[in-house]
Formats: sequence, C-alpha cells, structure tokens
Amino acid sequence: GQQLNQSPQSMFIQEGEDVSMNCTSSSIFNTWLWYKQDPGEGPVLLIALYKAGELTSNGRLTAQFGITRKDSFLNISASIPSDVGIYFCAGRGETSGSRLTFGEGTQLTVNP
Amino acid sequence: KAGVTQTPRYLIKTRGQQVTLSCSPISGHRSVSWYQQTPGQGLQFLFEYFSETQRNKGNFPGRFSGRQFSNSRSEMNVSTLELGDSALYLCASSFRTGGREQFFGPGTRLTVL
Repeated sequence: GQQLNQSPQSMFIQEGEDVSMNCTSSSIFNTWLWYKQDPGEGPVLLIALYKAGELTSNGRLTAQFGITRKDSFLNISASIPSDVGIYFCAGRGETSGSRLTFGEGTQLTVNP
Repeated sequence: KAGVTQTPRYLIKTRGQQVTLSCSPISGHRSVSWYQQTPGQGLQFLFEYFSETQRNKGNFPGRFSGRQFSNSRSEMNVSTLELGDSALYLCASSFRTGGREQFFGPGTRLTVL
C-alpha cells in the first residue's frame, strides 16, 4: 500500500529560526495537505496543494508539491513559540476518494 | 460556520463492550471520513461515507463499522472492544468524496480498560 516517509521526526529550534520538513511517497499523489496538531486536538489544515510544482504560502508557511508528485515540503519562516506542535503531511491518490495517507509527523519544539 | 463536532470527547470502556461515536460535519459537507490515531501506528484511515454510502474502507477488522444519516451526520461503532482499540478517533469532513480539503474534528479519546 501507499506509504509516506516524513522527516525529520523531531526538531528543536530557537525562536526566529526557519524550519523545513518534507514527505516522500512510494506512490503518486494528486493532492498534498499539511496539518498541525496540538495535544488533545484534531489536526488543523495549514496548506493544501493540488498541482505538481505548485508553491503555496499561508503567512509564514510555504509548501510545495514536488514535480514528481511523490514528495512535498513545508517551510516555516521566523518561527515563534506558538509554532510548537506536530506537523503532518497527508497525500491523496487519484482513485482514493477522500482517503488520506499520513506521514508519521514532525514534532517541532521552539525555544524562546 | 461551525466546524466539525464530535461527541463524546472522552470515553472509558472495558474490554468486550461496544461503543458508538458521533460526528457532525461542517454544514454543507456530505463526505465524512474516520481515522484512528495511536502513538504506534499514527493516523490510519478507517472508512469514508458519502451520501449515506460507504465509499472507501481501510484495513480494519469487521468490529469497526459506521453509517451516515441523511443529514450527513455519521456514527462509527466498535464492537467487542480490545485494549488495542484505545486511541483518538478523528472524523474529517469535506464537501464531497475526494473533495479538495478535509477538515478534522477535535476527536474522541477512547480508553479501553
């Protein structure tokens, strides 16, 4: 079945630093979604990507849909303490309906 | 517009019991997907319902079932609970099956003792 490898698993950074994380898939996806999850809550959608090569920003967040359709990355610029949380990538194949395959998550810690 | 709501937020059950969880999607959304989240397995897809029909199913045993009502609200049921069923159960709604964006609810934390 489809598998997503997300890296890094965890990051410890200082406030103000930039962050980058990525996901690679064994299969082609037609949609990439990036979510952030706080403890005890559901994932919150950050950015959605629908086209190979697409680069989309949401405030300090920027994500790209890889041209091979098998990878995506998320950048966070000038990190702040409230960026702390777990970031997940999720991909959806063309015949998957609404079924999302999730990466393992990146735990981000920001030191003030 | 209200977000996805899930009830209850927390549940404690014992092995062998059954449980029903409820999800109300965003108004106008007709697709509801269910996911199980555990520390060991991460987020795993359970099933998707659209227009009261199951459209997709993940690799879970038949003890896990669901349904969707005409108002798009969905329930999932787990029978004969096992310790390993302890997890955060999340539902996600989208406008239609394969809809571009999916929005998650806060989840139901199920603990099986």
